[in-house]
Amino acid sequence: EPEVTQTPSHQVTQMGQEVILRCVPISNHLYFYWYRQILGQKVEFLVSFYNNEISEKSEIFDDQFSVERPDGSNFTLKIRSTKLEDSAMYFCASSGLSGSKETQYFGPGTRLLVL
Amino acid sequence: QQQVKQSPQSLIVQKGGISIINCAYENTAFDYFPWYQQFPGKGPALLIAIRPDVSEKKEGRFTISFNKSAKQFSLHIMDSQPGDSATYFCAARKTGGGNKLTFGTGTQLKVEL
Repeated sequence: EPEVTQTPSHQVTQMGQEVILRCVPISNHLYFYWYRQILGQKVEFLVSFYNNEISEKSEIFDDQFSVERPDGSNFTLKIRSTKLEDSAMYFCASSGLSGSKETQYFGPGTRLLVL
Repeated sequence: QQQVKQSPQSLIVQKGGISIINCAYENTAFDYFPWYQQFPGKGPALLIAIRPDVSEKKEGRFTISFNKSAKQFSLHIMDSQPGDSATYFCAARKTGGGNKLTFGTGTQLKVEL
């Protein structure tokens, strides 16, 4: 069964450093998302991406964040200058064409720890 | 108005019992309501979903009941098993926009033998 994959599974970084989180969505999907989950809290939407542009973003997704689909398979989230409060589990998700657009499949996540 | 309120925060059920988790929303623009199951260290996995034109949807032991007028929906897990022990999140999606899911705060379910 196709699945969303994410790398790395864990990332430790120093405050102020840049991090790039990588995702490989399900191959025939066209919609891509990033969510985050601070330990013990709910899953929060960051951004959705379709047709090579951001279709919606949350207030969390400020100028420090950016997303890119550098090639036909990868989808990345960049945090330019990490803060302590960026420590969280980051989930990538993808969904398909019109009829199945709503069904989002989540990856296993990247646990980011900012020291 | 974008919030989805979920209760209870935690739930302990005996094996074979019925687990019931409730969610409520305010925004009438929500048009799709999925439930996700999450095991520790894993990503959320879609369990079952419903649209507001249907009052109930059943898949195996899992049933969603939807009350459009009350703006409430609930997940029922029949014959609960220890393997169902996980965190359950309700969510809602607003029509239009970027297909953003708004999640509830989660319910930690423990099914005891």
